Amino acid sequence: GAVVSQHPSRVICKSGTSVKIECRSLDFQATTMFWYRQFPKKSLMLMATSNEGSKATYEQGVEKDKFLINHASLTLSTLTVTSAHPEDSSFYICSAPKDSGYTFGSGTRLTVV
Amino acid sequence: GENVEQHPSTLSVQEGDSAVIKCTYSDSASNYFPWYKQELGKRPQLIIDIRSNVGEKKDQRIAVTLNKTAKHFSLHITETQPEDSAVYFCAASRGGTSYGKLTFGQGTILTVHP
Repeated sequence: GAVVSQHPSRVICKSGTSVKIECRSLDFQATTMFWYRQFPKKSLMLMATSNEGSKATYEQGVEKDKFLINHASLTLSTLTVTSAHPEDSSFYICSAPKDSGYTFGSGTRLTVV
Repeated sequence: GENVEQHPSTLSVQEGDSAVIKCTYSDSASNYFPWYKQELGKRPQLIIDIRSNVGEKKDQRIAVTLNKTAKHFSLHITETQPEDSAVYFCAASRGGTSYGKLTFGQGTILTVHP
């Protein structure tokens, strides 16, 4: 139980375009979703926290206008990377608290060319 | 906010040896400390966790110890096997009726040589 489905798993986009990443909680209601970014051989860095029905909370240094987060329902949170550039290429992963810890999406490998 | 420091960054052991990875945290309100194993391009997998009301927890070859006073916790893997080779992350968060954000350590690349 407590599965988070993340799509797409891989995406390649052209510089200047936008990419949307979705995380769906399949068998539970996720009122909170954490969004992380992971560069190669680095740790997971929290970008923002989304809460259903309210504005997301962004970590220091994360551009809220560039990384748009929407949590419009209890089962869906989305991250949109707007006007993507090569430096946005990274592994993005969502995570939701569950009853005894956290469950993670499978991650999205974004490559901006 | 919370800061988690993890050492060493790389660890190389022979098969059958033990491996120890250490982490310190800064927020005394943190009370949930999971350890994750991550393979390349995959999601982190929980291998063991400990809560602040417990000093030690063991699951077969894996154990975690927690020293709340010193704000550090450690992962111990005994009888290591080549399939234990991966990146390991410690993390800390405030848990309760709902869990707060997880702060991760920098990661340890563990290599187990046959």
